[in-house]
Amino acid sequence: AQSVTQPDIHITVSEGASLELRCNYSYGATPYLFWYVQSPGQGLQLLLKYFSGDTLVQGIKGFEAEFKRSQSSFNLRKPSVHWSDAAEYFCAVGVNNNAGNMLTFGGGTRLMVKP
Amino acid sequence: DGGITQSPKYLFRKEGQNVTLSCEQNLNHDAMYWYRQDPGQGLRLIYYSQIVNDFQKGDIAEGYSVSREKKESFPLTVTSAQKNPTAFYLCASSNAIYNEQFFGPGTRLTVL
Repeated sequence: AQSVTQPDIHITVSEGASLELRCNYSYGATPYLFWYVQSPGQGLQLLLKYFSGDTLVQGIKGFEAEFKRSQSSFNLRKPSVHWSDAAEYFCAVGVNNNAGNMLTFGGGTRLMVKP
Repeated sequence: DGGITQSPKYLFRKEGQNVTLSCEQNLNHDAMYWYRQDPGQGLRLIYYSQIVNDFQKGDIAEGYSVSREKKESFPLTVTSAQKNPTAFYLCASSNAIYNEQFFGPGTRLTVL
């Protein structure tokens, strides 16, 4: 079965600093990969997705992620963090099987931004 | 505007009561999902439906029930059998080809 690990439960960065959130997945085939962001008390918003092709994908709000097959990773990056980026971030792997189109989520990383 | 709506935003329930959470989408998606989120935890799948009049249990279906009579609607009932129902509930939908799921704003259920 597929699984997703986000090793960092909490991360604190200073405003203007660069950011990298880690995501490792376990899946036998090439997965669909996603990053979502959730503000407190809100639903999840899709930041970016990888289906195939270029392994560096660009998303909304200045985020990007790189798919590295050899490392089974899909880390999220942003060159300069803004205070409004403080939120919880979820990595997910998508699988199509007999059960249907499913997503498996990591446990999330809570990002705090220092002024 | 296309999207997913959930109602109510906040819901309070007395112990022993059943409550129903509404989820509606106008994205013309075939698949719909219900997740539960507890503080500091990720999302856990309760039920999902790939097509009208069909649904499947997820990882934590005990104490919950659903129906899918219309493509755009997927209500979730939290029954009195659910021993710890206080949580944040998220509904999502996706198309048939890709797994990209679109989420509603959530319903926070509190048992008094």
